[in-house]
Amino acid sequence: ETGVTQSPTHLIKTRGQQVTLRCSSQSGHNTVSWYQQALGQGPQFIFQYYREEENGRGNFPPRFSGLQFPNYSSELNVNALELDDSALYLCASSPDVYQETQYFGPGTRLLVL
Amino acid sequence: ELKVEQNPLFLSMQEGKNYTIYCNYSTTSDRLYWYRQDPGKSLESLFVLLSNGAVKQEGRLMASLDTKARLSTLHITAAVHDLSATYFCAVDGYRDDKIIFGKGTRLHILP
Repeated sequence: ETGVTQSPTHLIKTRGQQVTLRCSSQSGHNTVSWYQQALGQGPQFIFQYYREEENGRGNFPPRFSGLQFPNYSSELNVNALELDDSALYLCASSPDVYQETQYFGPGTRLLVL
Repeated sequence: ELKVEQNPLFLSMQEGKNYTIYCNYSTTSDRLYWYRQDPGKSLESLFVLLSNGAVKQEGRLMASLDTKARLSTLHITAAVHDLSATYFCAVDGYRDDKIIFGKGTRLHILP
């Protein structure tokens, strides 16, 4: 039990739609990172937020965007969904930007039809 | 660009045997992580290695880091079936705050 929660657990969308995934970090964790994990692959870094500002971004297009809120929750928004966006989306929180330890949530499994 | 390679990608071994998973990375890094993932589950943090020569052990798992060789190893001693899972190494890119994962090693331990 990491104290990091994600919602929803599963989601089905159709191509072209938009989706918002949510993550609630542990209190005091100022850093949250989002990852996409396709089936049978390692997680791919999407972006990181530190104190409500984007602090690093992986090789994902701008239709992947995020927000971090003062209450240690965050969102991942994906616009214009594509079939290849089907994956497990993981958020991970850390008490500081140095990410000495990341605590992963259970993930949201997104299926795009 | 930071690249992380794990080998082997698949490993089937008998209970009681020892084996090592290797993780190579391509550029200078601040730290290296090892994670475990069970099927359909999230990632569980195993080790964080912060400096050259760092060695950490938990039960039958031991991780080490050689920053000069850009190599980390995860050694499994006297494997038991409960250790069957996928193991990922991940490397924190120096100064760019990105954590890059390897493709994972799927470990299957036969009873």
